[in-house]
Amino acid sequence: AQSVTQLDSQVPVFEEAPVELRCNYSSSVSVYLFWYVQYPNQGLQLLLKYLSGSTLVKGINGFEAEFNKSQTSFHLRKPSVHISDTAEYFCAVSDLKAAGNKLTFGGGTRVLVKP
Amino acid sequence: DVKVTQSSRYLVKRTGEKVFLECVQDMDHENMFWYRQDPGLGLRLIYFSYDVKMKEKGDIPEGYSVSREKKERFSLILESASTNQTSMYLCASSPPRGMGDTQYFGPGTRLTVL
Repeated sequence: AQSVTQLDSQVPVFEEAPVELRCNYSSSVSVYLFWYVQYPNQGLQLLLKYLSGSTLVKGINGFEAEFNKSQTSFHLRKPSVHISDTAEYFCAVSDLKAAGNKLTFGGGTRVLVKP
Repeated sequence: DVKVTQSSRYLVKRTGEKVFLECVQDMDHENMFWYRQDPGLGLRLIYFSYDVKMKEKGDIPEGYSVSREKKERFSLILESASTNQTSMYLCASSPPRGMGDTQYFGPGTRLTVL
């Protein structure tokens, strides 16, 4: 069975400062990795994903994440945040051997960007 | 653009009522999913379907059932609603594995059971 741990439930950050959201997973098989964002009163949308290849993945809105297989981590970063980045962020994994492409989600990290 | 729609944004029901949550996608996706979202717990998979009339239990299927009679529509049914089913319900769809694996989400239905 897989599990995903997002180490911070809330991250306050000042505008134009960098932010890092931490994600660790456990799985006995190869996985795909995802970061989704949920803006207030909306559904989730994909920020970025790692399927294979380069371990540094770039996504939308200036976000990037690095897959580290030895540490089973997939941390999300942005060098300079905007007020509009205030949202909840979810890390998720997909077991490559499972039917369909079910996702297992972490508990989420709320990012509050302060002016 | 992929569009996933859910029948209601907000719903209030009474304990013991039968509740139907509807989800429709317009991208001809094979896979469809129902999650519930609770603070601190993230999203938890209730049921998913990888084809018409096919369904599989997710991590928390108890108290729920699903129906998929047409490819574009996936319904979540609460046979007898209880207060512990008060939650945000999110529907998602995705193409088959190997075609990017992105799930596309609807806006959610916030269900309150009184």
